[in-house]
Amino acid sequence: AQKITQTQPGMFVQEKEAVTLDCTYDTSDPSYGLFWYKQPSSGEMIFLIYQGSYDQQNATEGRYSLNFQKARKSANLVISASQLGDSAMYFCAMSPKGGSQGNLIFGKGTKLSVKP
Amino acid sequence: DADVTQTPRNRITKTGKRIMLECSQTKGHDRMYWYRQDPGLGLRLIYYSFDVKDINKGEISDGYSVSRQAQAKFSLSLESAIPNQTALYFCATSDSGTGPHNEQFFGPGTRLTVL
Repeated sequence: AQKITQTQPGMFVQEKEAVTLDCTYDTSDPSYGLFWYKQPSSGEMIFLIYQGSYDQQNATEGRYSLNFQKARKSANLVISASQLGDSAMYFCAMSPKGGSQGNLIFGKGTKLSVKP
Repeated sequence: DADVTQTPRNRITKTGKRIMLECSQTKGHDRMYWYRQDPGLGLRLIYYSFDVKDINKGEISDGYSVSRQAQAKFSLSLESAIPNQTALYFCATSDSGTGPHNEQFFGPGTRLTVL
């Protein structure tokens, strides 16, 4: 079964420190994509970063990086230099079957709280 | 202007009522989706459409129906609303042909309460 698991329902981090949000996935497809979305309290879904299963290097986007460990089927999000505005829900998602199905499979999310 | 819009943004209705949620997009994408978000459960797929003539059930389609009126419009209906359909509903779009990098663009969400 294709599944995304986020084992941290909630996390706290001190402002300016780095934080890692865990994500493991389960798929037998050779081609898939992994995404992280941020959902602030206002409710919108904001795309953060993407990693393809064939990408050799870990994806980075500004303060966000994805620690992709294919053999362990993990795709952890690392946020460097946390800011108060990073407080939000974070969802890991997978695009199975090379994207042919179109939809994303989401994890249950991690609520990140940044302390001043 | 937003690329993906949803109307209404908030709706309170009563059990047994028929409700329609509408989604429009200006991104020119061919694929559209309806997701439901419940606290602690993440987003779950209700229906998706790859083009006007292609409608597919998702993980939790029971109690819902959809209509793809045009490439840019995708509506979700609750034929007879029940309280456990109280949730945040998202419409999303993506572009075919992007392979696994099919980033989805989300609307702002519709908060539905069924009393």
